Amino acid sequence: TQLLEQSPQFLSIQEGENLTVYCNSSSVFSSLQWYRQEPGEGPVLLVTVVTGGEVKKLKRLTFQFGDARKDSSLHITAAQPGDTGLYLCAEEGAGSYQLTFGKGTKLSVIP
Amino acid sequence: NAGVTQTPKFQVLKTGQSMTLQCAQDMNHEYMSWYRQDPGMGLRLIHYSVGAGITDQGEVPNGYNVSRSTTEDFPLRLLSAAPSQTSVYFCASSPLPGTGELFFGEGSRLTVL
Repeated sequence: TQLLEQSPQFLSIQEGENLTVYCNSSSVFSSLQWYRQEPGEGPVLLVTVVTGGEVKKLKRLTFQFGDARKDSSLHITAAQPGDTGLYLCAEEGAGSYQLTFGKGTKLSVIP
Repeated sequence: NAGVTQTPKFQVLKTGQSMTLQCAQDMNHEYMSWYRQDPGMGLRLIHYSVGAGITDQGEVPNGYNVSRSTTEDFPLRLLSAAPSQTSVYFCASSPLPGTGELFFGEGSRLTVL
């Protein structure tokens, strides 16, 4: 089972600020998913990245997959209170059918 | 537009009691799974199923049983509840096993006294 390290563990910022959170592994990812979980709800898939160096944008969220496919980042521009939540990265080993999650970054955006 | 439905949302048990957490999906997904989420531990896979009649163990299967008699339903059974099973449980499904793209239910919060 691949170990996913997420950093920082907690992040509290003011509305309008930019931020970046990270997901790292010692092994190569086959593909990587980013999820967001709001309090009292289940995680919701944001994006899947597959190709090394890939960049995907989802409104103010930019996801990047490292060239070596061992790390990924999520950058939020001009954070809003609605961005508050737990951001999780996840990876499913090839053919395993078992999705492994990192422990997440808990983001609070203060109005 | 139900998606993945979990019941009950909240449950309190005494040590040694048994119960079943229900999970149903109406998206005709072949893959279904159960996770538990604990503070500081993240989401951990308990059991999963790639289709009706097929189940397999995840990372933390001890103390839990599952069955998959239909595509729609994937119940999780606690045989003899222990305080260590106090957690939030999530059921998730996927149309394509191996993609990592899961649809989650809203969770069931279980407390074992």
